[in-house]
Amino acid sequence: DADVTQTPRNRITKTGKRIMLECSQTKGHDRMYWYRQDPGLGLRLIYYSFDVKDINKGEISDGYSVSRQAQAKFSLSLESAIPNQTALYFCATCPGGGNEQFFGPGTRLTVL
Amino acid sequence: QKEVEQDPGPLSVPEGAIVSLNCTYSNSAFQYFMWYRQYSRKGPELLMYTYSSGNKEDGRFTAQVDKSSKYISLFIRDSQPSDSATYLCAMIGWGAQKLVFGQGTRLTINP
Repeated sequence: DADVTQTPRNRITKTGKRIMLECSQTKGHDRMYWYRQDPGLGLRLIYYSFDVKDINKGEISDGYSVSRQAQAKFSLSLESAIPNQTALYFCATCPGGGNEQFFGPGTRLTVL
Repeated sequence: QKEVEQDPGPLSVPEGAIVSLNCTYSNSAFQYFMWYRQYSRKGPELLMYTYSSGNKEDGRFTAQVDKSSKYISLFIRDSQPSDSATYLCAMIGWGAQKLVFGQGTRLTINP
């Protein structure tokens, strides 16, 4: 089984809909991250969490919210999706005190 | 100016060639350097992880860090078509919370 899983893997939705992307990990890492990837813009950090009670905004948090339900679960929500949120979304984990991040397989989100 | 600059390519080379991928950076606080490989429609995969200056070798891959020039490189020897992917550099300073990524270089190895 994969260490970092993301669901769904693909999602097509309409403008204004609420969407939740989920991330689970079996690596036992404390730190979890949400990124989006757009062509020509690379990876941009949306939110990150160092433990269940710690949530931090990244560089592009507007329009997104997160929930850290447990050490192993970190969800990203789009409260009212808009077309420019169409992108690849990646979850990543990192051991506490470490620097190397381990990525999930990604969710391809299309907002029509 | 971005903290980390990476030529997005695309870079196309014949099979068997030596490939050199590079990143420059402006923040002298960066201490830890990583290279990720990302196949199409997949998540980035950690390839190399180095601390401070020097070289690190792993099979056909060599990561090189020159902190005095703020320049890091990834060399791929005897390149294979299976090396075709986007390569992203990433770096972070001591005690910092967030990795800073380069834009990624798209590499194609032609049989």
